[in-house]
Amino acid sequence: GESVGLHLPTLSVQEGDNSIINCAYSNSASDYFIWYKQESGKGPQFIIDIRSNMDKRQGQRVTVLLNKTVKHLSLQIAATQPGDSAVYFCAENTGGFKTIFGAGTRLFVKA
Amino acid sequence: ETGVTQTPRHLVMGMTNKKSLKCEQHLGHNAMYWYKQSAKKPLELMFVYSLEERVENNSVPSRFSPECPNSSHLFLHLHTLQPEDSALYLCASSQFLITNEKLFFGSGTQLSVL
Repeated sequence: GESVGLHLPTLSVQEGDNSIINCAYSNSASDYFIWYKQESGKGPQFIIDIRSNMDKRQGQRVTVLLNKTVKHLSLQIAATQPGDSAVYFCAENTGGFKTIFGAGTRLFVKA
Repeated sequence: ETGVTQTPRHLVMGMTNKKSLKCEQHLGHNAMYWYKQSAKKPLELMFVYSLEERVENNSVPSRFSPECPNSSHLFLHLHTLQPEDSALYLCASSQFLITNEKLFFGSGTQLSVL
């Protein structure tokens, strides 16, 4: 069935290092992928998205990579800062309005 | 401020109570959603509205009753809830109800059912 999962429930990185958060999806028909960030006491906030006709997309300090061959999605955060500490969700859309969310990865940034 | 406002932020209710959650979006969007977020579980879609018309009821028990009086407001009426209904209830909106639309979330209502 459809599922979006994350390889690691928690990730701890040193401030200034790069972070990589991974996500696997199972539905090869998914054509739109989104990363959300959820800070404590807040709802998820959009970070970056990518469509299935792309392999890579860059934003400010963030890059999303899509490997359709192995159905893998990753979020790279450059020069991780304390403000990046949060739970990160990958999500997929298989067409229509339903967005399927992964379980989330908690990122800890050590000063 | 994300543009989506939810009240109350916290709610404690007994199993026999009736309460309502409110959501208001200031983004001019046409679609609104209710999601449930439980500990250690992915976000679960509950209801979807497009231009005040319900287009999805994702097998949600009838003790949850949504209401969308206009495209800016969304309510979730609660009655005779169970302790397992304790969760963070998130409202979201999107510009249109089509594929490839990112969601804008409110901060949620943390609900505890005693």
